[in-house]
Parts: sequence; C-alpha cells; structure tokens
Amino acid sequence: ETGVTQSPTHLIKTRGQQVTLRCSSQSGHNTVSWYQQALGQGPQFIFQYYREEENGRGNFPPRFSGLQFPNYSSELNVNALELDDSALYLCASSLDPSSGYYNEQFFGPGTRLTVL
Amino acid sequence: DAKTTQPNSMESNEEEPVHLPCNHSTISGTDYIHWYRQLPSQGPEYVIHGLTSNVNNRMASLAIAEDRKSSTLILHRATLRDAAVYYCILRVFTGGFKTIFGAGTRLFVKA
Repeated sequence: ETGVTQSPTHLIKTRGQQVTLRCSSQSGHNTVSWYQQALGQGPQFIFQYYREEENGRGNFPPRFSGLQFPNYSSELNVNALELDDSALYLCASSLDPSSGYYNEQFFGPGTRLTVL
Repeated sequence: DAKTTQPNSMESNEEEPVHLPCNHSTISGTDYIHWYRQLPSQGPEYVIHGLTSNVNNRMASLAIAEDRKSSTLILHRATLRDAAVYYCILRVFTGGFKTIFGAGTRLFVKA
C-alpha cells in the first residue's frame, strides 16, 4: 500500500505566475484535502474534494482552485502568485469525507513553493 | 469561526508523562477534536481524536472537558521520538467540511 505522494518536492516561481501542484491519494482513498503551511505556522485548510467536486473550502481567494480526477489524484492550482503564497503545501487523503471528519487523514510530505 | 489555542512550547523529561492543553471555547456540538503531530520536514501524523468522551489509543490519551471547551492530550511516557509540534484541530461541518488547525505546541523532550 503506497502512501500519499506529492510532486514536485520544491518549486520556485515569480510573482504573477501560475503554479500547479499534484497529489496522489493513498490507495482506496477518495477524498483529498489541501493545506497551506507558512513557515513556523500551523496548516491552513484550503479545500476538500470528494468524487471530483469541492465539498469544503477555507478562507482562500478564488485564485486557489483544484481538481480531482477519476483515479482520485488531485491538483492544486494557484493563479497570479503573490509573495505571501510562499509556503509548504500539504495534501491529505481519507477514505471518504465523513470518515475524514471523524477519523484520520493521511498527509503527504508536502511541496515547498517559493515565490520571488 | 471556531478556533483552537495552544501554548507555544512545552518541555518534558524523558519517561515522564506530558499533558498538552488546548482551548477551543468556540466549539460547536458536532465538531470533532483531533490531535496531529508534525516532525521536521514531514507532513502531520494522526495521533488521536474524540467527540465527547475520553479516548485512549496506543499512542496517547485524550481528555475532553465536560463542556468540551478544552481538551488535553496525554503522552504517558515521553520519549525523544515524541519531540514534535503537536496540533489541536477541530473538524467541522458547516455547509461543507473544514479543518481548523491551531498554531501548535512545540514539545521538547530532555534525556
């Protein structure tokens, strides 16, 4: 059984550019959540996807968007990058939305995004 | 919005119990309390969760106040491998699922 994987590991972009981050869920998990973790802070919830639809969102602007594919892998897209978008981006998978609610999520190692 | 408050850091001696507190006074009746920990350069790792009753698992115990406005994560015998940032989290459903992390408590364990 493979765990949650994310790519790339590190990424450097300039302000105004667009970026796509990728996540592969743990085997059998159909729900993916994305988080932003600034240096020295706790993760902030961006959104959650279940069966290719967003079913939960935190306080992030629309330039943060996502996709989930039929194989349950997921992408996080960020448009018009700002310096404050520099952070570790984490994805987490769970068996289904409700089990992630009252059971555990499995996190990937994250993608470190630097915006210059 | 619901939020959690934790001390910035705590210190413990190896082999001694550790009590990590969390305040979540804005919690709603159906919000679940979760605890995760994060080691350097890794994603968070699940520790324990609960709703109303105290919970035990192989890693830790979770004590939830009767009014649910606070909780305490208990590590029964701290080891050097338990040194990490511990996050108290609320899992809420308000028209959609949300996860609310606190700022975390950095636990230092002394040999």
